[in-house]
Amino acid sequence: GAVVSQHPSRVICKSGTSVKIECRSLDFQATTMFWYRQFPKKSLMLMATSNEGSKATYEQGVEKDKFLINHASLTLSTLTVTSAHPEDSSFYICSARAGLAGDTGELFFGEGSRLTVL
Amino acid sequence: GQNIDQPTEMTATEGAIVQINCTYQTSGFNGLFWYQQHAGEAPTFLSYNVLDGLEEKGRFSSFLSRSKGYSYLLLKELQMKDSASYLCAVMDSNYQLIWGAGTKLIIKP
Repeated sequence: GAVVSQHPSRVICKSGTSVKIECRSLDFQATTMFWYRQFPKKSLMLMATSNEGSKATYEQGVEKDKFLINHASLTLSTLTVTSAHPEDSSFYICSARAGLAGDTGELFFGEGSRLTVL
Repeated sequence: GQNIDQPTEMTATEGAIVQINCTYQTSGFNGLFWYQQHAGEAPTFLSYNVLDGLEEKGRFSSFLSRSKGYSYLLLKELQMKDSASYLCAVMDSNYQLIWGAGTKLIIKP
């Protein structure tokens, strides 16, 4: 099956610093990638949808300047948490979809990145 | 509004059968997904239904009734490793996934 790799899996940083999380599709071209945030014992919360070569579409309530998303190629999307604060500590997960709208829509998930901001 | 409902938690016995229900109200429908998520890990795909009926895949089966806005995931011959959260998600008319809150399944020996 398709593989999505997410890095780093765990990161601890000081408040005020920025953290970049990478999401790569290893064996397919991902036209669309999604970034989720998940709080303990809660379901996935979609943060933004990114299509290769265009600006990400952010969900309501998600700060664009806080969570910078770049989808520069068909195999790589990055999420940068800028000026991180303790309330940004969470489990961030990316997923990728190979086809365009009209495909089955199966998502392939990265392993997730646990961010802890001290 | 769009809504996905599934029970918060269920408990079952090892070796038994359990059915996890999911009801939905969404803007359009382009398929229903079930994902399994172990604590601290990302979700993994279990099944996809777009037509009414039952899809069987090993110990797991998924059923869909579009007219009722209803699906269930059936797990047979439960094993301890099946202890996880099970997420129901519906793809709406914009091909966006709407996620349920997940059902935590606890398996007891």
